[in-house]
Amino acid sequence: SQTIHQWPATLVQPVGSPLSLECTVEGTSNPNLYWYRQAAGRGLQLLFYSVGIGQISSEVPQNLSASRPQDRQFILSSKKLLLSDSGFYLCAWRMGLAYEQYFGPGTRLTVT
Amino acid sequence: AQSVAQPEDQVNVAEGNPLTVKCTYSVSGNPYLFWYVQYPNRGLQFLLKYITGDNLVKGSYGFEAEFNKSQTSFHLKKPSALVSDSALYFCAVRGGLSGGSYIPTFGRGTSLIVHP
Repeated sequence: SQTIHQWPATLVQPVGSPLSLECTVEGTSNPNLYWYRQAAGRGLQLLFYSVGIGQISSEVPQNLSASRPQDRQFILSSKKLLLSDSGFYLCAWRMGLAYEQYFGPGTRLTVT
Repeated sequence: AQSVAQPEDQVNVAEGNPLTVKCTYSVSGNPYLFWYVQYPNRGLQFLLKYITGDNLVKGSYGFEAEFNKSQTSFHLKKPSALVSDSALYFCAVRGGLSGGSYIPTFGRGTSLIVHP
């Protein structure tokens, strides 16, 4: 069966520091991968999605970036964090022929 | 552009009573519709989906949803609520092969509170 991992689970970082969040999927190949941010426990904001290695689409222009160095690995990065980057970051995957997404456990980021 | 509306920020229901969480959508062509549930500090869990076929779809944990094309709605229902159903519920829509975006659009979520 497929599983999705995210780490770290929680992170507290000062403003201006770099960020790296990692997401990996096991038990499948060539998944579509997504990064979302959820603020204040509510709506989801799609940040990036990827249909293959090295293929990244950005939905929101900001100081975040994403990379997909391997088929089942998706990384969210920032060179300098802002206070507004605080939130709950969710990674999700979907197989090309299936329809629903499967979400990871999330990373709670607090920028101080 | 596709969109989803969840008109209620919060739904309160007594344990044992039926529950309904409302969702309406807008999308080009035939919709693919989804419900997800989120417990505090957890990721979203897939509950059920409508792609085609029967308008009433059944999903996990006793939930079901009814697709109504004329009203562009996809309300989530359960005959008898449990306290453990208390969570945040998200409706999502994406376009199918006939149009719309393959990237799903999520509603803002509805907080379901089931009282003992």
